[in-house]
Amino acid sequence: AQKVTQAQTEISVVEKEDVTLDCVYETRDTTYYLFWYKQPPSGELVFLIRRNSFDEQNEISGRYSWNFQKSTSSFNFTITASQVVDSAVYFCALSDPTGTASKLTFGTGTRLQVTL
Amino acid sequence: DVKVTQSSRYLVKRTGEKVFLECVQDMDHENMFWYRQDPGLGLRLIYFSYDVKMKEKGDIPEGYSVSREKKERFSLILESASTNQTSMYLCASSLLGTGFYGYTFGSGTRLTVV
Repeated sequence: AQKVTQAQTEISVVEKEDVTLDCVYETRDTTYYLFWYKQPPSGELVFLIRRNSFDEQNEISGRYSWNFQKSTSSFNFTITASQVVDSAVYFCALSDPTGTASKLTFGTGTRLQVTL
Repeated sequence: DVKVTQSSRYLVKRTGEKVFLECVQDMDHENMFWYRQDPGLGLRLIYFSYDVKMKEKGDIPEGYSVSREKKERFSLILESASTNQTSMYLCASSLLGTGFYGYTFGSGTRLTVV
């Protein structure tokens, strides 16, 4: 069965600190997709990144970077020089292709609090 | 801008009431999903639909049903609301096809059952 573990329930940092959010997944599929979503206080989950299992290149987008390591089944997310606007709940998710529609299995989320 | 719209942002209902949560998407997506979000439990799949009038149970379907009469609309029904159904409900949609580009989410409906 698919499983996503986000062991960090809550992280608090001071603005400008770097922070890494951990994500570990379990799957028996050889082809799968990993995602990160951000949920700000407004409630809507916002897509951040999609990575397929064949692409282990790290990705950087501005202050955000992602480290995908198949050997350890991890897909960690780092925010460099954090800002107050980064305060949100972040979800890691794994695609589940079984059945009639591709679904997402989510982790329990990590709440990030960035203070001045 | 493409959208998934949930009809209510906040809802308060009484125990035993029949509750309808509505979700509409304008992206012509085949797949639609209902999740509930609870602290410490993340998002859990209630039901999903891959086509009009087609539906499948997710991980926690008990106490819920769904309806999809039109492609753009997916309704979640609480047959007899109970206090343990107090939660944030999130609707999402996705495209059918090769590859998987994830979901587009609505803003959520925070339901309180009293």
